[in-house]
Amino acid sequence: EAQVTQNPRYLITVTGKKLTVTCSQNMNHEYMSWYRQDPGLGLRQIYYSMNVEVTDKGDVPEGYKVSRKEKRNFPLILESPSPNQTSLYFCASSFWGFSYNSPLHFGNGTRLTVT
Amino acid sequence: RKEVEQDPGPFNVPEGATVAFNCTYSNSASQSFFWYRQDCRKEPKLLMSVYSSGNEDGRFTAQLNRASQYISLLIRDSKLSDSATYLCVVNEALNEKLTFGTGTRLTIIP
Repeated sequence: EAQVTQNPRYLITVTGKKLTVTCSQNMNHEYMSWYRQDPGLGLRQIYYSMNVEVTDKGDVPEGYKVSRKEKRNFPLILESPSPNQTSLYFCASSFWGFSYNSPLHFGNGTRLTVT
Repeated sequence: RKEVEQDPGPFNVPEGATVAFNCTYSNSASQSFFWYRQDCRKEPKLLMSVYSSGNEDGRFTAQLNRASQYISLLIRDSKLSDSATYLCVVNEALNEKLTFGTGTRLTIIP
């Protein structure tokens, strides 16, 4: 089954403790991206990657890191999480950028709480 | 002004009714447009793309008005299962940026 898989689904952690949220897709997609979703603010892009070893900042990259060593994986790293990073996170992928022939597919989300 | 704006609702509509909502966008160079549906605490899923000529998929009709810079979604004969948040998504092709609206929450009432 074609899908984008994120883990974990739920994560509660403390301020300053490094964590990684994994994202993997099995559709051979070139493009992958991370979003966070907060009430009243909608989905905001954190980082995106157009291909292996190519990553770029989105709208809200501060406090996050990503890597794209393999085409299928795009982990999100929080080196020193803070409470303002408490949010619902989504990984997404598409064949190439966004177009009518290349819609965005989302993972099922990771709800992160930083205390 | 927000780049993509939607009325957050909530819209409470009786089953079987027709409901429509709009989404405005600020960048006149925007290239492609989509409606996504998001159920509570779930991931967004593509509902339909919005083409220049307008398009229909069963009970759903999407329209694009480039002159006034808005897109619309019409749902006919609404079902309980249509209850969700509907996200307007706009691709500003120049920088390959995808911008999401904050969503319109729809509840269909029996």
